[in-house]
Amino acid sequence: AQKITQTQPGMFVQEKEAVTLDCTYDTSDPSYGLFWYKQPSSGEMIFLIYQGSYDQQNATEGRYSLNFQKARKSANLVISASQLGDSAMYFCAMREALGNQFYFGTGTSLTVIP
Amino acid sequence: DGGITQSPKYLFRKEGQNVTLSCEQNLNHDAMYWYRQDPGQGLRLIYYSQIVNDFQKGDIAEGYSVSREKKESFPLTVTSAQKNPTAFYLCASSTPRGTVLGEKLFFGSGTQLSVL
Repeated sequence: AQKITQTQPGMFVQEKEAVTLDCTYDTSDPSYGLFWYKQPSSGEMIFLIYQGSYDQQNATEGRYSLNFQKARKSANLVISASQLGDSAMYFCAMREALGNQFYFGTGTSLTVIP
Repeated sequence: DGGITQSPKYLFRKEGQNVTLSCEQNLNHDAMYWYRQDPGQGLRLIYYSQIVNDFQKGDIAEGYSVSREKKESFPLTVTSAQKNPTAFYLCASSTPRGTVLGEKLFFGSGTQLSVL
């Protein structure tokens, strides 16, 4: 079974609008961490936001927030006030406490339209 | 500044040739990783190492080899047994299991490998 599932291969959003990128995960480990990375066309991986499984509040970092629904095993990334520079691939990832691997989804390609 | 350096940025391989991708980090991280990225397939783990002189196979280790003789270095060799090596290769590092769960992966800038 896939550890991380991203069901949206491509998304479009109008500049200045908000967009939600979906991510669901599968784990039996009660302790885990969830990460979102951005990959522009240059190829570098840029860390955006982190959510721990025991965190009571949803994580926020500037225009990025993570909609964490533990019972549904979802960790959606919300980008508010989209900018043209947000156009990139976005990857959801998970790290379990009992292992040392990071599991990645297949990514979502976001295009911001002027 | 601390970070991960991958070289070269672009690499070309001929048939039957082994090539080695370099990865060096000065973040004092124990754990290092190699990922392969193909379009539409996300990142797939090739090998990872939690400590010097130890490494484990990931999901797609066949046709690849690694070494971890120094904490700072984790080179990846793409052997002639890897029949479809064209991909973008990313090296990463982090703190190992049992430390801080929220410690993220730090990535290098990647190497694009192509077959001539």
